[in-house]
Amino acid sequence: GIQVEQSPPDLILQEGANSTLRCNFSDSVNNLQWFHQNPWGQLINLFYIPSGTKQNGRLSATTVATERYSLLYISSSQTTDSGVYFCAGGSNDYKLSFGAGTTVTVRA
Amino acid sequence: NAGVTQTPKFQVLKTGQSMTLQCAQDMNHNSMYWYRQDPGMGLRLIYYSASEGTTDKGEVPNGYNVSRLNKREFSLRLESAAPSQTSVYFCASSSPLPVGEQFFGPGTRLTVL
Repeated sequence: GIQVEQSPPDLILQEGANSTLRCNFSDSVNNLQWFHQNPWGQLINLFYIPSGTKQNGRLSATTVATERYSLLYISSSQTTDSGVYFCAGGSNDYKLSFGAGTTVTVRA
Repeated sequence: NAGVTQTPKFQVLKTGQSMTLQCAQDMNHNSMYWYRQDPGMGLRLIYYSASEGTTDKGEVPNGYNVSRLNKREFSLRLESAAPSQTSVYFCASSSPLPVGEQFFGPGTRLTVL
């Protein structure tokens, strides 16, 4: 199956800081999603982004499909951004492979 | 729309007991999935159902069975629970391929003593 590497594993930010999370894939994917798991365990869809760039408020994501990586940008971070960020990818079938996640802690 | 719902939210079992986790979706999706999440790890696929009437094994199917009851409902059964099955279980459904965007339920936290 597809291997997914996320970096960094942990990130501690001061409120208001910007950050970049990265996701590398071992093979081409045509389904790529970013999720946020909040401190209560709920998985929230952030982006469906197999290629290109998307923005949603203070979050944006870019996927470079030819180089098999995706980036998630958090700008002006807030304490509510804390949690674990997962990327997941799949290729022409129903299965998604998940990375191990980046744990983000935003301090006031 | 409730999206994807799961019951129960929490469950404690003794080794050897059986139970069924229930999942339902109201997004008219054809495909549904069961994942488990262990501490410090991402999600691993247990079983999936590409469409009503079909089920297939994922990455970690041993010790589990599934039933796609109808288009809305997909259940996961543990026939003889083991401590190694202590985990958080998530159900998901997805929009049709080639997009296949997945949406997740709130999870079931299962402890096997």
